[in-house]
Amino acid sequence: NAGVTQTPKFRILKIGQSMTLQCTQDMNHNYMYWYRQDPGMGLKLIYYSVGAGITDKGEVPNGYNVSRSTTEDFPLRLELAAPSQTSVYFCASNRQGPGETQYFGPGTRLLVL
Amino acid sequence: QKEVEQNSGPLSVPEGAIASLNCTYSDRGSQSFFWYRQYSGKSPELIMFIYSNGDKEDGRFTAQLNKASQYVSLLIRDSQPSDSATYLCAVSSDRGSTLGRLYFGRGTQLTVWP
Repeated sequence: NAGVTQTPKFRILKIGQSMTLQCTQDMNHNYMYWYRQDPGMGLKLIYYSVGAGITDKGEVPNGYNVSRSTTEDFPLRLELAAPSQTSVYFCASNRQGPGETQYFGPGTRLLVL
Repeated sequence: QKEVEQNSGPLSVPEGAIASLNCTYSDRGSQSFFWYRQYSGKSPELIMFIYSNGDKEDGRFTAQLNKASQYVSLLIRDSQPSDSATYLCAVSSDRGSTLGRLYFGRGTQLTVWP
């Protein structure tokens, strides 16, 4: 199993541009998550999904959108990129249920200039 | 808002010493607790989880949970330079509309010097 994969690894955006961060998992996990991590900070939840067709906001959803059309894929869309969105983005997944550990992708480093 | 607080660090210990990492949480109903290790520039990886009060040992790592005090800790015995990383405490929401979500602390940076 590849686990959780993310693309791209690194991207530079200009202010106002848009992009989609890709996330795919091959573990048949129902739950998927998007986090951002700023330097010296913990992980902040952006959006999460409990299954195909179901998404919900996390702690910091403004400026982002998600969709979940399949179990495997959970893309994160940035519209009108801003410098405040410069961060490292991690996708994670786990099986349904409380207490299940999350498995993380390698991350996407985004720089907005 | 569920709060997870960690000792801010950075923590520096000599090789062979015991490193102690602490975490407190605000949601008394939390049932599942995790410790992740994150090397610089890498993604978090799970090293321990604990659900019950008391101690749980795995090799050089021991997780301790005290639900009454809302406190969870991680002890690393015989610390090695390869243990140098940031350690993230995470608490699971086990009920209601936030079921399954993890809440992370800011992390404690550990340096083990030879």
